[in-house]
Amino acid sequence: EAQVTQNPRYLITVTGKKLTVTCSQNMNHEYMSWYRQDPGLGLRQIYYSMNVEVTDKGDVPEGYKVSRKEKRNFPLILESPSPNQTSLYFCASSPYGGTGAYVNTEAFFGQGTRLTVV
Amino acid sequence: TQLLEQSPQFLSIQEGENLTVYCNSSSVFSSLQWYRQEPGEGPVLLVTVVTGGEVKKLKRLTFQFGDARKDSSLHITAAQPGDTGLYLCAGAPKDNFNKFYFGSGTKLNVKP
Repeated sequence: EAQVTQNPRYLITVTGKKLTVTCSQNMNHEYMSWYRQDPGLGLRQIYYSMNVEVTDKGDVPEGYKVSRKEKRNFPLILESPSPNQTSLYFCASSPYGGTGAYVNTEAFFGQGTRLTVV
Repeated sequence: TQLLEQSPQFLSIQEGENLTVYCNSSSVFSSLQWYRQEPGEGPVLLVTVVTGGEVKKLKRLTFQFGDARKDSSLHITAAQPGDTGLYLCAGAPKDNFNKFYFGSGTKLNVKP
């Protein structure tokens, strides 16, 4: 089954304790991205990756890191989480859309990770 | 400020009523997409509109892309309780077509 898998689904952690949220897709998609969803703000892009070893900042990258060592995996790293990073996080992947565009095709989302930083 | 502004933010209507959701920007988009999200799930794509002025229909849902490619609308005819959910517009601006933006969403509740 084609899917994007995020882990964990729920996480409660303390301020400053490094954590990693994993994301894996089995559709051979080039484009992967991370979003956070907060009430009234919709989804905001944190980082995106157009292919292996190619990553770039989205709209709200502060306090986050990513890596893309393999095409299928795109982990999100919070080196020193703070309470303002409490949010619902989504990973998504999309195939290449041609003519230099990676985002005009359907984005497939994971089930989300609800993170609470206390 | 959001690059994509959606209105209304909330909509509560009776079954059978029609409704329109708007998605506006000052930027030109290469395409705009509409997603629907259920509680506890990730968004799921409904449609992509690519050409200025384009109209796409998906059963009772009609999507329109503005002529200038800065806005889009979603019209639902004879809404049903199964249409309840969060509707999100999304897209990449023409001057940075690999960076993706979402609107703040419209939470629709259709009462039986």
